[in-house]
Amino acid sequence: KAGVTQTPRYLIKTRGQQVTLSCSPISGHRSVSWYQQTPGQGLQFLFEYFSETQRNKGNFPGRFSGRQFSNSRSEMNVSTLELGDSALYLCASSLPVTGVPYGYTFGSGTRLTVV
Amino acid sequence: AQSVTQLDSQVPVFEEAPVELRCNYSSSVSVYLFWYVQYPNQGLQLLLKYLSGSTLVKGINGFEAEFNKSQTSFHLRKPSVHISDTAEYFCAVDGSGNTGKLIFGQGTTLQVKP
Repeated sequence: KAGVTQTPRYLIKTRGQQVTLSCSPISGHRSVSWYQQTPGQGLQFLFEYFSETQRNKGNFPGRFSGRQFSNSRSEMNVSTLELGDSALYLCASSLPVTGVPYGYTFGSGTRLTVV
Repeated sequence: AQSVTQLDSQVPVFEEAPVELRCNYSSSVSVYLFWYVQYPNQGLQLLLKYLSGSTLVKGINGFEAEFNKSQTSFHLRKPSVHISDTAEYFCAVDGSGNTGKLIFGQGTTLQVKP
């Protein structure tokens, strides 16, 4: 059973550019969450999608956005990149068992460096 | 608001010694707790989870954790560590009732020395 796949693994972008990261969940998982990991702030929740709808959102500026497709694959986009956006971006997928967390499986992440 | 505090940023220990990584949480709703491990340049791997039932939870790689509601703690333990256990460990609480929002502690680096 394939795990959560994130592409690309590494990215280098210039300030002001935009970037799109992709996440393919485990087959059958319909919930996809995104997290930002930095040395200073740790792991912070960005947003979560289920059935193409954003159900939950963290405290990030509007430059951070996402979407989910009908096959449950998800993308996140960061516009007008800032140096502080350099981070490891992780996605996690889960079965949407109502009311009780099934557990979240994480991908290996995309390492974004903004120069 | 829910929060997680990992009481030690680094824990050095010798190989084959026991270890405990401490985690306290704050939550006003039903508590679902997780421990994840992260090896260098990798994502997070689930070690174990507490959803309900027995307060002693067994996970992978010989790890276990005990949920203590009165002390709002969820400490991770292993009776005998290996060099390969060197990694960063994260305690997390589900803050959303299964809508993907895990709240993580700041992490504890376990350094296993030969």
